[in-house]
Amino acid sequence: QQPVQSPQAVILREGEDAVINCSSSKALYSVHWYRQKHGEAPVFLMILLKGGEQKGHDKISASFNEKKQQSSLYLTASQLSYSGTYFCGTVLSGGYNKLIFGAGTRLAVHP
Amino acid sequence: DAGVIQSPRHEVTEMGQEVTLRCKPISGHNSLFWYRQTMMRGLELLIYFNNNVPIDDSGMPEDRFSAKMPNASFSTLKIQPSEPRDSAVYFCASSLLQYNEQFFGPGTRLTVL
Repeated sequence: QQPVQSPQAVILREGEDAVINCSSSKALYSVHWYRQKHGEAPVFLMILLKGGEQKGHDKISASFNEKKQQSSLYLTASQLSYSGTYFCGTVLSGGYNKLIFGAGTRLAVHP
Repeated sequence: DAGVIQSPRHEVTEMGQEVTLRCKPISGHNSLFWYRQTMMRGLELLIYFNNNVPIDDSGMPEDRFSAKMPNASFSTLKIQPSEPRDSAVYFCASSLLQYNEQFFGPGTRLTVL
């Protein structure tokens, strides 16, 4: 049931773009994205509900493809502050709000 | 507004001892979640409450783990007896509604020797 995230790790230079993917084998109700910096708690970025909507948060945006049960997180013109581990969490359709997190994608942004 | 509060922040104990972790959710939030994070297993949902009622405890590893939420502003996660493999960071999170974003507390780093 755990969603699959890819890639496992990304290394960027400041200003470069990245895409992080999250896929599920089951029908999804929603996808959550969180970022966790080392030694800190996960911090909420955004929620996407089924319907294929796309959301944005500064230069970070995400999409949700309901047919493919996939979500992608887009990081544009990356900044040093973007470094951390990104987790997607999925909520299955027809169930309670049981958020299952993926294994995470480590992102390192260098000057 | 204060965020989710967890105590203690660090706990070191010996195998066999009882451990109690505490959580105060954000005022007004009616859903509360307990997670465990380790390098090997990632971020796992242990149990969650809605309006103080446990909804899903299928993630609780075994009977040594128990959680309570006696009122809307307090929850505990107890491990008795503790084992070295319980060493992890335990997070508590709360949300306004079940399907909304979750706000995580700073976590409790538990080390069982």
